[in-house]
Amino acid sequence: QQQVKQSPQSLIVQKGGISIINCAYENTAFDYFPWYQQFPGKGPALLIAIRPDVSEKKEGRFTISFNKSAKQFSLHIMDSQPGDSATYFCAAIPPGTASKLTFGTGTRLQVTL
Amino acid sequence: GAGVSQTPSNKVTEKGKYVELRCDPISGHTALYWYRQSLGQGPEFLIYFQGTGAADDSGLPNDRFFAVRPEGSVSTLKIQRTERGDSAVYLCASSSHGQETQYFGPGTRLLVL
Repeated sequence: QQQVKQSPQSLIVQKGGISIINCAYENTAFDYFPWYQQFPGKGPALLIAIRPDVSEKKEGRFTISFNKSAKQFSLHIMDSQPGDSATYFCAAIPPGTASKLTFGTGTRLQVTL
Repeated sequence: GAGVSQTPSNKVTEKGKYVELRCDPISGHTALYWYRQSLGQGPEFLIYFQGTGAADDSGLPNDRFFAVRPEGSVSTLKIQRTERGDSAVYLCASSSHGQETQYFGPGTRLLVL
């Protein structure tokens, strides 16, 4: 059972454009939603995270939008740069710290010149 | 400071052999996680340690997989009678007490021939 569904599988965006990646979750017990960025040959690195009591969180060029009623959240990358080319994973975690992450299947982003 | 380190970075073995994968967490982090990432997929949870004890091993696929963390720091993931389907990247992550953010190592790429 896939508890976090992610789309699209791959995405090509021109430099300066907006990259949008969407995720939907099923378990209403999830209460922390991080996004991870992974470069080839590296482990995932935390990019930005949100809790469901907030509808939007922005950090630099990265914004998470959260729709609790729809059980959906998305990552927006503004002014996308070639250095943003990587695989992005949404994830979710239930209440209580030190809990296991449930990841989406990933979106491979390519930012072209 | 130093991040999560994993050794070896690559491991090639033959079907039926035994392998050990090592994880050195960030100093002082009490929680340690193992995940497995197959090609083109998001990481999947295997096991979580809080201190020396395995708090959640629900993700271990079968009894060929075992992990230890005897002194509450370094952890070893052990795979007996390896199968070709065990080929994947094995990721380790650690987190500080009371924090949801998990910091990942670069992973060990295991190839079972």
